[in-house]
Amino acid sequence: DTAVSQTPKYLVTQMGNDKSIKCEQNLGHDTMYWYKQDSKKFLKIMFSYNNKELIINETVPNRFSPKSPDKAHLNLHINSLELGDSAVYFCASSQGRGSYEQYFGPGTRLTVT
Amino acid sequence: QKEVEQNSGPLSVPEGAIASLNCTYSDRGSQSFFWYRQYSGKSPELIMSIYSNGDKEDGRFTAQLNKASQYVSLLIRDSQPSDSATYLCAVILSGAGSYQLTFGKGTKLSVIP
Repeated sequence: DTAVSQTPKYLVTQMGNDKSIKCEQNLGHDTMYWYKQDSKKFLKIMFSYNNKELIINETVPNRFSPKSPDKAHLNLHINSLELGDSAVYFCASSQGRGSYEQYFGPGTRLTVT
Repeated sequence: QKEVEQNSGPLSVPEGAIASLNCTYSDRGSQSFFWYRQYSGKSPELIMSIYSNGDKEDGRFTAQLNKASQYVSLLIRDSQPSDSATYLCAVILSGAGSYQLTFGKGTKLSVIP
């Protein structure tokens, strides 16, 4: 199936730990994104990469670090997790090159205890 | 601050009726507009994109854009219980970069059988 996939689907961890979320798309898109959806369901952009180059870096604590090893993968590493980081994190991709429609992965529900 | 606004609802309509969802945006220069549907516990799913003033129809869905009045709406004809979800309006705001979507907080739609 062509899609945007994320692992893991659920992540439960303690404060202070470091964790990573992985995203892969096989749609042949050039641009990938990380979004955070908080408990009030508000969806907000965190980062975007276009062809492995960081193009959007919103005001996000520097404990969050995205990495794009190639244009099909975008990972999110979070250091020193805090309670407020609990949320659902969505990866998305778009074709780029003048096409802006974004397609979302299934999400990773992060719970920090 | 540039933003996208939606009535949070819930909007309740009887089965078979027309559901009308509205969205206003603050940036007059915005050019690209999207509607996403999000079922509870699932990821946002793109259902419509619209770039020009007027109506765009796709099956039971019609998106309407009025750039002069800075609003975009989504009509769902013959509403079905399966349409019950939160509908997110998203806009690429001018000056935000071609790839950055700004989402409204969503309108929760409930279709009553």
